[in-house]
Amino acid sequence: KAGVTQTPRYLIKTRGQQVTLSCSPISGHRSVSWYQQTPGQGLQFLFEYFSETQRNKGNFPGRFSGRQFSNSRSEMNVSTLELGDSALYLCASSLETFTGELFFGEGSRLTVL
Amino acid sequence: AQRVTQPEKLLSVFKGAPVELKCNYSYSGSPELFWYVQYSRQRLQLLLRHISRESIKGFTADLNKGETSFHLKKPFAQEEDSAMYYCALPYNTDKLIFGTGTRLQVFP
Repeated sequence: KAGVTQTPRYLIKTRGQQVTLSCSPISGHRSVSWYQQTPGQGLQFLFEYFSETQRNKGNFPGRFSGRQFSNSRSEMNVSTLELGDSALYLCASSLETFTGELFFGEGSRLTVL
Repeated sequence: AQRVTQPEKLLSVFKGAPVELKCNYSYSGSPELFWYVQYSRQRLQLLLRHISRESIKGFTADLNKGETSFHLKKPFAQEEDSAMYYCALPYNTDKLIFGTGTRLQVFP
């Protein structure tokens, strides 16, 4: 089975721009979660989608949004980028029933200049 | 509120020494806790979960409800154990919250 795929892997943006990141889960996985990983804060939960519905949302400003498509692929969008948004954004997929095992992608590294 | 605390950012040991990566949690109820590991240039992956009471790559973790801890232990560290380790706790039964992580460095 192919693993979780995230694109793009690396990107550089400037303040004020927006960015869209994509995630393709493992085939058969319907839950997709997004995390922001930074050296100081570790992994911070952004949101989780299941069957195209956002089930959970972390404590991030409204500039961070996401969606899930009928094929379980997910995108997250960050608008009006700030320097502090520079991070590795990780996507993880899991089975319908929560077991605590998340399968992570390699991440999209965003640098905001 | 549920919370996971990993007090050490960095833990350095020599090969063959015992390792204990600390994790403390705040949770109302009976938690199910997890340890995730991220080796250099690899994906974050599940290492072990307390409910299975298994030993993975020589690591074990015991849930201590009295001390609200779930420390990860290994009696003899190997160089290949060098990695970033995250303790994780379910929140609202269907998502995971992670600690800030501990980097383990094992020197030869």
